[in-house]
Amino acid sequence: GQNIDQPTEMTATEGAIVQINCTYQTSGFNGLFWYQQHAGEAPTFLSYYVLDGLEEKGRFSSFLSRSKGYSYLLLKELQMKDSASYLCAVRDSNYQLIWGAGTKLIIKP
Amino acid sequence: IAGITQAPTSQILAAGRRMTLRCTQDMRHNAMYWYRQDLGLGLRLIHYSNTAGTTGKGEVPDGYSVSRANTDDFPLTLASAVPSQTSVYFCASSEKGQGSDEQFFGPGTRLTVL
Repeated sequence: GQNIDQPTEMTATEGAIVQINCTYQTSGFNGLFWYQQHAGEAPTFLSYYVLDGLEEKGRFSSFLSRSKGYSYLLLKELQMKDSASYLCAVRDSNYQLIWGAGTKLIIKP
Repeated sequence: IAGITQAPTSQILAAGRRMTLRCTQDMRHNAMYWYRQDLGLGLRLIHYSNTAGTTGKGEVPDGYSVSRANTDDFPLTLASAVPSQTSVYFCASSEKGQGSDEQFFGPGTRLTVL
């Protein structure tokens, strides 16, 4: 079966750095997405990766290793507005997105 | 305003009743999707449509039906609601449904079946 694993919840301090991991086992791989979802709102797109390596976009960076079925989202200089759930999703061989349950990130002052 | 709209925002429904959740997008996207989101579970695909006139079953299609008569609209129907269909329902769309295409989500419909 297809499976995507993320930690359920993480807590970090404002101004700090946090790494959210995602491991996946899917039938085929056509890219990995990260989405952000604030409580009571819809998910919004953060990033898409299909090649191995590290890519930085401002305060957010993401790493992908296809051979290990592993990705992480790195958030730097945490702000209170970063409190949200972060969803990892993989596009499978049928081009459908398989979603992880999401990691709820709690930021403390 | 460009984007996706869903209606209603929330609904309480008696078991056994029929209900249609509406979804409209004005981005001229080819692909549209219906997901349900339950606490502790990831978004689960109910049905999808890669283009107007075609539909497909997702991971959890039982008890739901969809139609795609035109590009903009993608309604989801619960023929006879059951309590296990209590969930938050999100409609989404993407330009082609391939590659790096991101999915844009509507605001969601919170449905409670009693």
